Amino acid sequence: DSGVTQTPKHLITATGQRVTLRCSPRSGDLSVYWYQQSLDQGLQFLIQYYNGEERAKGNILERFSAQQFPDLHSELNLSSLELGDSALYFCASRATGGNEQFFGPGTRLTVL
Amino acid sequence: QKEVEQDPGPLSVPEGAIVSLNCTYSNSAFQYFMWYRQYSRKGPELLMYTYSSGNKEDGRFTAQVDKSSKYISLFIRDSQPSDSATYLCAMIESGGGADGLTFGKGTHLIIQP
Repeated sequence: DSGVTQTPKHLITATGQRVTLRCSPRSGDLSVYWYQQSLDQGLQFLIQYYNGEERAKGNILERFSAQQFPDLHSELNLSSLELGDSALYFCASRATGGNEQFFGPGTRLTVL
Repeated sequence: QKEVEQDPGPLSVPEGAIVSLNCTYSNSAFQYFMWYRQYSRKGPELLMYTYSSGNKEDGRFTAQVDKSSKYISLFIRDSQPSDSATYLCAMIESGGGADGLTFGKGTHLIIQP
């Protein structure tokens, strides 16, 4: 158990809908990263937050957004969903001063 | 050209064998390297973290980095059926974490009892 929690485990929705994925980092970690894992693209970095502020952006679509709250949990919002958004979404946290990232169990999103 | 190349496998070896998993990368700015193990539909689990050329050992696992050749390896000794999983290499340019990891596609490893 990495100490990173994610909810929900599974999400099934329809095209055009909007969903919110939630992540709580390890106790004391200030950084949260979001990744998408699909069969064809592998694990891809989406966005990073540090202590409530956006720090880095990767291959995140404009339809996707994220935020980190004062209690350090983070939410990833996916809107106008398409079939191709079906994937595993992971968040990871990193201890301040280190480089290792610890991943949560993921949310499996299925868009029908 | 992809930034990180990793043979997807599957790689099938008998129990007890030494396993060698490899990644090559093209971006010479990568400075920090990690290996993750991922069981089917689970979150990646950090196995090894290195930042200098050379070897780092942890139990049955040895991580090797050759920055001059842009080549990293993970060796697993005395492989067990429980080692059957997908192994992902990951790397990042700078310390301090202001960037995400760049991953290889992963190698699917099967240890035959």
